[in-house]
Amino acid sequence: GQQLNQSPQSMFIQEGEDVSMNCTSSSIFNTWLWYKQDPGEGPVLLIALYKAGELTSNGRLTAQFGITRKDSFLNISASIPSDVGIYFCAGQLGDFSGSRLTFGEGTQLTVNP
Amino acid sequence: DTGVSQDPRHKITKRGQNVTFRCDPISEHNRLYWYRQTLGQGPEFLTYFQNEAQLEKSRLLSDRFSAERPKGSFSTLEIQRTEQGDSAMYLCASSLGNSGKETQYFGPGTRLLVL
Repeated sequence: GQQLNQSPQSMFIQEGEDVSMNCTSSSIFNTWLWYKQDPGEGPVLLIALYKAGELTSNGRLTAQFGITRKDSFLNISASIPSDVGIYFCAGQLGDFSGSRLTFGEGTQLTVNP
Repeated sequence: DTGVSQDPRHKITKRGQNVTFRCDPISEHNRLYWYRQTLGQGPEFLTYFQNEAQLEKSRLLSDRFSAERPKGSFSTLEIQRTEQGDSAMYLCASSLGNSGKETQYFGPGTRLLVL
């Protein structure tokens, strides 16, 4: 079953606002990834984090790999209507310990124009 | 388009029938994964291949499920004697698993409905 706790479950914001969501785990991961999924489609990779403490940006998105390796957060600045969707965090142990991704339950983001 | 492709995109079947899904990974990706996603949940791991070898299977993968990757390129996932509980989105992902920074890229999924 799922090991990651992702919060919040849903967010309703106004266009232009900043958004923050996070993911925590009871066990460590060596890689954290953030995906966005639109209805009826597969997850699309947003940001990948490979090192504890790493802070990475991709346009208006910023994500950090927690120093304990048990958590990660994703920030979206100046939200726009096309940011609507479900955001998933995923953790991975790595090559020699297992390559499977373990996903959170997702954060549903709604942006009101 | 050079991304991961899946076929069919949608499948409706009657309980007890067999279904088979296909996944074509990104060219030269040596790892291929299958996940299952039910409504309101994140994807859950089913199995993965490195080249043609099936290296890991989840406990979710009952004996009615079988996956193959015969030539280390495309993969098929077969579900025998489908049950209503098999209704879900089946996602395929591929990666290049030799760089130490493995990143999995997902296909659009196959949505299965078992009546």
